[in-house]
Amino acid sequence: AQSVTQLGSHVSVSEGALVLLRCNYSSSVPPYLFWYVQYPNQGLQLLLKYTSAATLVKGINGFEAEFKKSETSFHLTKPSAHMSDAAEYFCAVSGAGGGNKLTFGTGTQLKVEL
Amino acid sequence: GAVVSQHPSRVICKSGTSVKIECRSLDFQATTMFWYRQFPKKSLMLMATSNEGSKATYEQGVEKDKFLINHASLTLSTLTVTSAHPEDSSFYICSASLAGQGLNNEQFFGPGTRLTVL
Repeated sequence: AQSVTQLGSHVSVSEGALVLLRCNYSSSVPPYLFWYVQYPNQGLQLLLKYTSAATLVKGINGFEAEFKKSETSFHLTKPSAHMSDAAEYFCAVSGAGGGNKLTFGTGTQLKVEL
Repeated sequence: GAVVSQHPSRVICKSGTSVKIECRSLDFQATTMFWYRQFPKKSLMLMATSNEGSKATYEQGVEKDKFLINHASLTLSTLTVTSAHPEDSSFYICSASLAGQGLNNEQFFGPGTRLTVL
C-alpha cells in the first residue's frame, strides 16, 4: 500500500521568499514520486517527478524537490516565490505494486503575499 | 505534446438525468486512462482505471453501474454519470498514460469537468 502525507494544508509566503512544501510518503516498494500544481478550475500540471535517477529533481517554474529515502520525504522547494505560484500543490506516489496508479496527498494551498 | 482534453468543461443537469463526459488524448495514444473525482478543496480520488478494449477497474466504493466508463479507442474514454443526483456534483478529471511506456509512466491530466446536478 502507498500513501502520501502533506503537512500543512495552507502555506503563506511573501513574494521573493523561499517556498517549502512538505511531502512524506509510505511505500512498500521503491516509489516514483510526483509534484503537481493545480490552478482554480483546471486540471493538474506536472511540476517534476522522481523515478529512481538523481535524488535532486529540477522541475518547471524554478521548482525542485529532493528525494530522501532515510526520511521518506520529497519536499518541494523554490528559492524565490512569485505571485503566479499561488495555487494548489499535490504530492503523489506510485510504485510497482500499484502499477501506474497514483495516490495523491491532500494538497497544500500556497498563498503568495506582497 | 501529450495533451488531454475533456468535454464539456462545465455541465448543469437535472436530477435523474444522465451525463456523459469525454476524455481525449489529442496527440498520443493512451492505453490507460484514469478517472478522478475531486470534491471542493479536497484531493483527487481515483474512481477507476480504464484500459482500451477492456472493462474498467473500479476502486472500492465506486458504483460501476452509476459511473459507466467506456474506453473504445486509444484516444477516447467516456464517463457517464447515470441517474445523476445532487451528491454527484463534483469536479471530474481524467488522465491518460502513453502507450508502451510500461509501469509508472507519467499521467497527463485533462482540464476537468465541473458537474452540477440540480
